[in-house]
Amino acid sequence: EPEVTQTPSHQVTQMGQEVILRCVPISNHLYFYWYRQILGQKVEFLVSFYNNEISEKSEIFDDQFSVERPDGSNFTLKIRSTKLEDSAMYFCASRQDAKNIQYFGAGTRLSVL
Amino acid sequence: GENVEQHPSTLSVQEGDSAVIKCTYSDSASNYFPWYKQELGKRPQLIIDIRSNVGEKKDQRIAVTLNKTAKHFSLHITETQPEDSAVYFCAGEGGNEKLTFGTGTRLTIIP
Repeated sequence: EPEVTQTPSHQVTQMGQEVILRCVPISNHLYFYWYRQILGQKVEFLVSFYNNEISEKSEIFDDQFSVERPDGSNFTLKIRSTKLEDSAMYFCASRQDAKNIQYFGAGTRLSVL
Repeated sequence: GENVEQHPSTLSVQEGDSAVIKCTYSDSASNYFPWYKQELGKRPQLIIDIRSNVGEKKDQRIAVTLNKTAKHFSLHITETQPEDSAVYFCAGEGGNEKLTFGTGTRLTIIP
């Protein structure tokens, strides 16, 4: 069964550094999402992306965050200047169309020191 | 925006008994309600979902009910097994496509 894949599985970075989290959505999917989950808390929506543009973003998704689909397969989340509170598990998700279910990747654990 | 409340936060049941987890939502425009199971350190996995034009859906030991008027939906797991132990999240989705998750229920099945 096709899966959403994310790399790396764990990223450790110093506060203030830039990180790029990578996702390869399922190949025929058109809608892409980033969520984050702080340890022990619920999954929170960050951003949705469709047709090469952001369709919605949460208040968490401030100017330090950006997303990109640089080619036909990758979907990236960039955090420009990481803060301690950015430490979380970041999940990428994709869906084929607006009525189908969202499939989640295994996540990237980001640790900001 | 949408707000999803989930109860209880923890639930322990004897193996073989039933478990029920309840969620309420605030946005009457929400029309899709999935349930995800998350095992420790793993990705959320969809176990069942329901759309607002349906009141109940069942898949083997798992069922979901939806009351649109009261804006609440519930997950029912019957004949629970040790492998059902996990954190379960409900979610709601409206026209904006984003999922709003509940706070999760840690379900423990006692052998």
